[in-house]
Amino acid sequence: GAGVSQSPRYKVAKRGQDVALRCDPISGHVSLFWYQQALGQGPEFLTYFQNEAQLDKSGLPSDRFFAERPEGSVSTLKIQRTQQEDSAVYLCASSFSGANTGELFFGEGSRLTVL
Amino acid sequence: KNEVEQSPQNLTAQEGEFITINCSYSVGISALHWLQQHPGGGIVSLFMLSSGKKKHGRLIATINIQEKHSSLHITASHPRDSAVYICARGGGADGLTFGKGTHLIIQP
Repeated sequence: GAGVSQSPRYKVAKRGQDVALRCDPISGHVSLFWYQQALGQGPEFLTYFQNEAQLDKSGLPSDRFFAERPEGSVSTLKIQRTQQEDSAVYLCASSFSGANTGELFFGEGSRLTVL
Repeated sequence: KNEVEQSPQNLTAQEGEFITINCSYSVGISALHWLQQHPGGGIVSLFMLSSGKKKHGRLIATINIQEKHSSLHITASHPRDSAVYICARGGGADGLTFGKGTHLIIQP
């Protein structure tokens, strides 16, 4: 597709369930970012990939969060044993180069609600 | 303390007014981004700048590197400009640090 695609757009999970959120970046984009946005807040950095390499995962809030991009294109953010505080919109963005040198393109986000 | 501070947090104005949103950051940057987020979550990149001034239609973004300050201006504002405007700085590990956003409402 022409833009960054995320799925599912909406996910409701029971506390303790595992969830997987998918990001399909723009073809050829080297950099991929995951952000978490709580209600009424700005996005917070989670992790960054350059091709298949996860260069920075300092923003992942706990070891229940795991991200991968095995072939340097599609990325999956997995949250294990979800908790209510994980409820947020998870945004994916991609860039042809890096955030310091290239324009960022964002997906529509995946809204996760943990009951 | 957030490294990126925006003001005002909320702004309501009448159609046609000149709008200014301010952004201050506390550490050096290699690029500063202005983003627009509409209800429903979609984010659009408006500007990426590292010096000076950029203009796109009715939108103008300026940055003062020495003062660590950037402004986003909207001329002849219109109700369709109503959105959340987010300032984000790039630097370091190549991720972005975001401000909390400015909620702008333009009334007809």
